[in-house]
Amino acid sequence: EVQLVESGGGLVQPGRSLRLSCTASGFTFGNYALIWVRQAPGKGLEWVGLIRSKDYTGTTEYAASVKGRFTISRDDSNSIAYLQMNSLKTEDTAVYYCTRSHDYGDLFVGSWGQGTLVTVSS
Amino acid sequence: DIVMTQSPDSLAVSLGERATINCKSSQSVLYSSNNKNYLAWYQQRPGQPPKLLIYWASTREYGVPDRFSGSGSGTDFTLTISSLQAEDVAVYYCQQYFSSLLTFGGGTKVEIK
Repeated sequence: EVQLVESGGGLVQPGRSLRLSCTASGFTFGNYALIWVRQAPGKGLEWVGLIRSKDYTGTTEYAASVKGRFTISRDDSNSIAYLQMNSLKTEDTAVYYCTRSHDYGDLFVGSWGQGTLVTVSS
Repeated sequence: DIVMTQSPDSLAVSLGERATINCKSSQSVLYSSNNKNYLAWYQQRPGQPPKLLIYWASTREYGVPDRFSGSGSGTDFTLTISSLQAEDVAVYYCQQYFSSLLTFGGGTKVEIK
């Protein structure tokens, strides 16, 4: 069974940093793209960024709202993905979902974690 | 970025009746080389993470009931629930993956009338 477990969320002050982790199991981690999606309280889904598998270049893409502040990385040997969030703003407050692509080269989501809440507030 | 616009924002449908949700993209998501529409639909029940329903605009994910269907091409897409059940109360989102700068629609909330 595919499992994605986010951790590292919590309360953080504006301007500070936070790193989320996504620990995966139940599949060959390195074969899939990892896609981060967030959802502000009571709002819709917003794509944050993605990291492709190494077979598909291993490159990253980011939404304009987080580009230059957020960085996604992956540790295929330990089946963990990371979302490093710097210079946090109050508008970054959201549940952050770690997700896996449906298939190797796809960029739509086949599996979702339960999410971790990040609250940016003074 | 490709902008995804869903309509309506919400709808109330009687049990057993049809629900229709529309999704329009600001540019075509049909890739001519493989004739595939890079469009997915998700369902998010209250308090749950979303779940994939449909991809390539009309391919049902494994295990998704056949009352859910997707149609459309190019810029205009539809998700249809042919006979609404109580467990279908949820918010539904479309997402394009034609561009690697992924974008979601704003969501459509489906309720029971």
